[in-house]
Amino acid sequence: NAGVTQTPKFRILKIGQSMTLQCAQDMNHNYMYWYRQDPGMGLKLIYYSVGAGITDKGEVPNGYNVSRSTTEDFPLRLELAAPSQTSVYFCASLLGSGGSYGYTFGSGTRLTVV
Amino acid sequence: AQKVTQAQTEISVVEKEDVTLDCVYETRDTTYYLFWYKQPPSGELVFLIRRNSFDEQNEISGRYSWNFQKSTSSFNFTITASQVVDSAVYFCALRLGGSQGNLIFGKGTKLSVKP
Repeated sequence: NAGVTQTPKFRILKIGQSMTLQCAQDMNHNYMYWYRQDPGMGLKLIYYSVGAGITDKGEVPNGYNVSRSTTEDFPLRLELAAPSQTSVYFCASLLGSGGSYGYTFGSGTRLTVV
Repeated sequence: AQKVTQAQTEISVVEKEDVTLDCVYETRDTTYYLFWYKQPPSGELVFLIRRNSFDEQNEISGRYSWNFQKSTSSFNFTITASQVVDSAVYFCALRLGGSQGNLIFGKGTKLSVKP
């Protein structure tokens, strides 16, 4: 049981390049989330999904896109990377919205845009 | 609006001291959940505790204890007899009941425990 797997762990992008951060979970969780963590700040929600085919914006969605074609995968796409997107990105999953469920976080992707 | 405030940006203590990390939250919902996570220097997020709004019992787990007070909207975290391995950033987070389930994080408190 791998939990939530994020790839890559580290990446350096040049301004204007694009990339996809991968997130996969093998727990059959319905809910998935993308957060970004800037230095000295807490995590902020970028996008989330409550099931395959359903996605919605979080607090800081600009510059990002997501898709959820399967329950397992929730990739985050950066188009035209900018220095402001330098951050650590965390993917998380949750079985359901009930209070007894716990979150599983990936180990993070550290992205630098230069 | 929902919000989590961790007023202490950084705390430095000497090993074996007790330390309390403060967390104040804002919500108008009656059903909500509060969390504490630890982020060690390696960067991963480690779950410490979840509390629902209907359970105000304090909890103790080894050297860790949590004080939940709805009257002051606080969910404070105390480490007794701190150790160097406790050095990390600690996040308090809020989740609303019946929502899409996303967590609202505080900005975190960086705890340094010196030998």
